[in-house]
Order: sequence, then C-alpha cells, then structure tokens
Amino acid sequence: ILNVEQSPQSLHVQEGDSTNFTCSFPSSNFYALHWYRWETAKSPEALFVMTLNGDEKKKGRISATLNTKEGYSYLYIKGSQPEDSATYLCAFAGSQGNLIFGKGTKLSVKP
Amino acid sequence: DAMVIQNPRYQVTQFGKPVTLSCSQTLNHNVMYWYQQKSSQAPKLLFHYYDKDFNNEADTPDNFQSRRPNTSFCFLDIRSPGLGDAAMYLCATSRAGGGAYSETQYFGPGTRLLVL
Repeated sequence: ILNVEQSPQSLHVQEGDSTNFTCSFPSSNFYALHWYRWETAKSPEALFVMTLNGDEKKKGRISATLNTKEGYSYLYIKGSQPEDSATYLCAFAGSQGNLIFGKGTKLSVKP
Repeated sequence: DAMVIQNPRYQVTQFGKPVTLSCSQTLNHNVMYWYQQKSSQAPKLLFHYYDKDFNNEADTPDNFQSRRPNTSFCFLDIRSPGLGDAAMYLCATSRAGGGAYSETQYFGPGTRLLVL
C-alpha cells in the first residue's frame, strides 16, 4: 500500500514566523510531487508540481524542495501571514497512475 | 475567470436515497476527477474521465457511479448512500499532458454530503 505522510498534522505560529513542514512519499516509481493549499470554504489551489530530484520551486514567500531518492519534500513559508492559514496538502504521483494525497498539515497563523 | 464549479456546496440526503453531485468546468480540460475526503483523512480518488473514457479505481464501491455527458460537465451518482458515505466530494480537472499525473489539477470547492 502506497503511503504519503505529512507532518506535523497541525501547526500554530505567530505572524512573522517562518515555518516548514514535511511530506514523505515512496522513493520508487516516482513521477511527480504536488503541493496544494486549501483554505477553508475555498477550492484547493495548486502551489507546485515538482518532478526532478533536487528541484526547488518558489512562489512569493512559499518555497518547496524535493528529494526523490529519500522520498521527501519540504514546504517553507517565510514570514508567515494570517492569510497563509490553510491546510497544505501534498500528493505523490507514481506508476500507480493516480495521485496519492497526504492528510495535510493545517497551519494557523495568529496576528 | 476560468474555473471549476460544484453544486450544491452542501447536500443532505437520507440513508438509501439516491443523490447526484454535479461539477462543471470552463477550463476545457480533457480530464475530470472525483475525490472523496472523509473527516481527518486524505482525499481519495474515486474515478476519472479522460475525455469520454471512464477509469474506475479498483477499490471504489459499486454504489458510486459517474457520468460525463460533455466536456464541461461531470456527475457523481451515489445510488444508495450509507452513513459511511458522508464526506467532502471534490471535483478536479487537468489537461491531458504527456506526463502521467504531472499536470496540475484544478479543484472545485467541494460538496459536503451529509447522510441522515
């Protein structure tokens, strides 16, 4: 059974803090790793799709790294703002042919 | 704005009473997906359409069916909802790119189903 693990399950930070969380996935038969942000009552929004080992992607204050050999990806948020409060989902795409999602990391940023 | 729309946002149904959830898209994407997310769980793919080709996940219960009458619309039919089918149902679309599942998926806001 393919498993995608995200940690921590939830995170509370103060505005201005930088934070990061982890996605662990199978290191074999890798095609892509997706990150999504899901704000309450809104649609999940794509952040990154990463395909190559060593990839680093950045979107504003959010960045992500990818290590396919050891099967993990980190998502970093620099200088967290209240509007960053959301659940961050990662999803592994492998030879099984579909996206396997993690349960997400719920981030709360206090003003 | 191009988008993925799901109606209704909340649906209440009775145990055993058929229910249909709908999804429409203005992105003109070839692929449409239905995911189920139960409380505190990861979203799980139920099935997807690649154009008119239907692809069912092996562990999707027979109780769940889908229809895609045209590019823009896709429906999820639950023939006899049980209490265990209460969940958030997410619709997503993507282009048919060359790399399997490396295309970004665009999601609707979901329909939360409650079964009484």
